[in-house]
Order: sequence, then structure tokens, then C-alpha cells
Amino acid sequence: GAGVSQSPSNKVTEKGKDVELRCDPISGHTALYWYRQSLGQGLEFLIYFQGNSAPDKSGLPSDRFSAERTGGSVSTLTIQRTQQEDSAVYLCASSDRVGEQYFGPGTRLTVT
Amino acid sequence: GENVEQHPSTLSVQEGDSAVIKCTYSDSASNYFPWYKQELGKRPQLIIDIRSNVGEKKDQRIAVTLNKTAKHFSLHITETQPEDSAVYFCAASGGGGSNYKLTFGKGTLLTVNP
Repeated sequence: GAGVSQSPSNKVTEKGKDVELRCDPISGHTALYWYRQSLGQGLEFLIYFQGNSAPDKSGLPSDRFSAERTGGSVSTLTIQRTQQEDSAVYLCASSDRVGEQYFGPGTRLTVT
Repeated sequence: GENVEQHPSTLSVQEGDSAVIKCTYSDSASNYFPWYKQELGKRPQLIIDIRSNVGEKKDQRIAVTLNKTAKHFSLHITETQPEDSAVYFCAASGGGGSNYKLTFGKGTLLTVNP
């Protein structure tokens, strides 16, 4: 079946603008995760959803970052008033059981 | 929280040789240890994983070993091929009641020279 998809694949925005990143998980996967990967770095956990609720938002770097999930499926990560240090690849993953996460292709965000 | 250390950061081998990547973790409650392969510009892909009730798992040329006492686990790739060249990430989860959150190592860039 279809894997995790993300859109857009690339986003260039000016400093101070808001951006929305979208994730479509694998159908039937109840858990959804957002990660951030900076150049040459590992994956940094941002937020976890189980269904539509987010029991763990501990990785969100500031209150400019927020995320929601509707219908137990699509999730949107919003970054307000973007800063240059927000430039990174934002990866979404989903799973139907503990641990086995399957990643999307990511959104490369560049803040100029 | 959990902390995962990964070594080496870069590894270069000749085609046909073996490659070993090692990770240590800090939270003794962690119980799931996956390995991901990420080719340049691509998404991370799960290649093998191990749970804490086993010590070793093998899938063709790839094997993972786990030592819970020492809190370390390793990825072994035998008969390496150029297409094995990628960044490999280890991860751990299950510690501190967060049985869903993966904590990743910083990655190992593996280069297999033909």
C-alpha cells in the first residue's frame, strides 16, 4: 500500500512568515510522529500523536511550533514567525505498533 | 531522558569487507532498538530491529546484537556492497515510560569502496 507522504517536498520562505507542513500517514496507523533533521545531524523528536491527541509535545523547540491531527489521519505542523534556525528537513513517521516507525520523504524548509 | 551514542561517525570499507557500527544507550528500561538506513536525499528506512528479549537477530547480510547488561547494541554488515553506502542511524525506545519515542544516535556515514 501507499507509504507516508508529505507535502510540500520543498518550501522556501522569508524570515517572519508562517509555514504549514502536511503529513499523510499510512492508512490505519494510529500513531504519528514529527522529527526534525538538520544538516548532517540525527533526528530530533518534536511531537507524538496517538489518534488525534498529542500526549507528548516535549520536543517542540518553542511556542512558535504547533501541530494538530484530524480524523486520526492527516497532521499539520505549523511554524509561526519562521527564523533561519528553523531551516531543516521535517520528517513525519507513522506506526501501528510500538516502535516500528515508517518515515515519509520529508519537507525541506529553507528560511531566507 | 534517554541518550544514545553512536560510533564511529564515519566508516570507510572495501567492498566485500564487514562493517560494524556500535551504539550505547543510557536508560536501562529501553526495550526496542531499530536501525535505519538513509541514502542521500531519501527518507530513513527501517532495515532491522531487535527487542530486549533476544540477544541477536540476523537478516541475510545484516545482523544486530544486543547486550542489555552493558547497554549497547551493534549493527553488523557482512560482504559489503557499494549500495550499502548510506548513513545508518541507531535508535532506542521504551525507556522512562515513553514506549513510543525513538531517541536516535547521530548517525554513521558508511562508504563502501568498489
